[in-house]
Amino acid sequence: GENVEQHPSTLSVQEGDSAVIKCTYSDSASNYFPWYKQELGKRPQLIIDIRSNVGEKKDQRIAVTLNKTAKHFSLHITETQPEDSAVYFCAGGYNKLIFGAGTRLAVHP
Amino acid sequence: EPEVTQTPSHQVTQMGQEVILRCVPISNHLYFYWYRQILGQKVEFLVSFYNNEISEKSEIFDDQFSVERPDGSNFTLKIRSTKLEDSAMYFCASSAARGQETQYFGPGTRLLVL
Repeated sequence: GENVEQHPSTLSVQEGDSAVIKCTYSDSASNYFPWYKQELGKRPQLIIDIRSNVGEKKDQRIAVTLNKTAKHFSLHITETQPEDSAVYFCAGGYNKLIFGAGTRLAVHP
Repeated sequence: EPEVTQTPSHQVTQMGQEVILRCVPISNHLYFYWYRQILGQKVEFLVSFYNNEISEKSEIFDDQFSVERPDGSNFTLKIRSTKLEDSAMYFCASSAARGQETQYFGPGTRLLVL
């Protein structure tokens, strides 16, 4: 069935370092890949998304890459800050979204 | 900036009771969704809704669940006879179109079934 795998489950970095989270998906029909940031008890907030006709997209310190042939996509956060600490979810799909299991990112000052 | 809203923020109910969770999607959006998130787990798709009918549903969305758009602004999720395992955060989302369109999530309703 449709599945999105996300790694790592936890990630701890020092402030200023980069963080990379990777996801793979199984459904070839997926053409939309958003990334959500979720703070404790809050709603998922979209931070960046990429569509299947694009290989890379950047927004300030955040970038996402997509490899449709290999069915994987990655989130890159540069110059991490303590306020980046949260759970990050990747998702993929067409219409409905299938979410990964999440990555708990901790940025230490 | 327009946002998806949900009520109530918290709901406590007894097992076997019916609950209705309410959502007001962003006003010009046409596609509506319900997702749930069991504590500490990932977000799971329940159902999508367009043009007054269900367009897709997951295995979780069994006969105990139903959705409705009773008027031009509200979108509701009804759980007919709640079970302990229905305890979760329920998120409504909406998008302007299907496919590659951004889905905006509401703040969620935390449902606790005792």
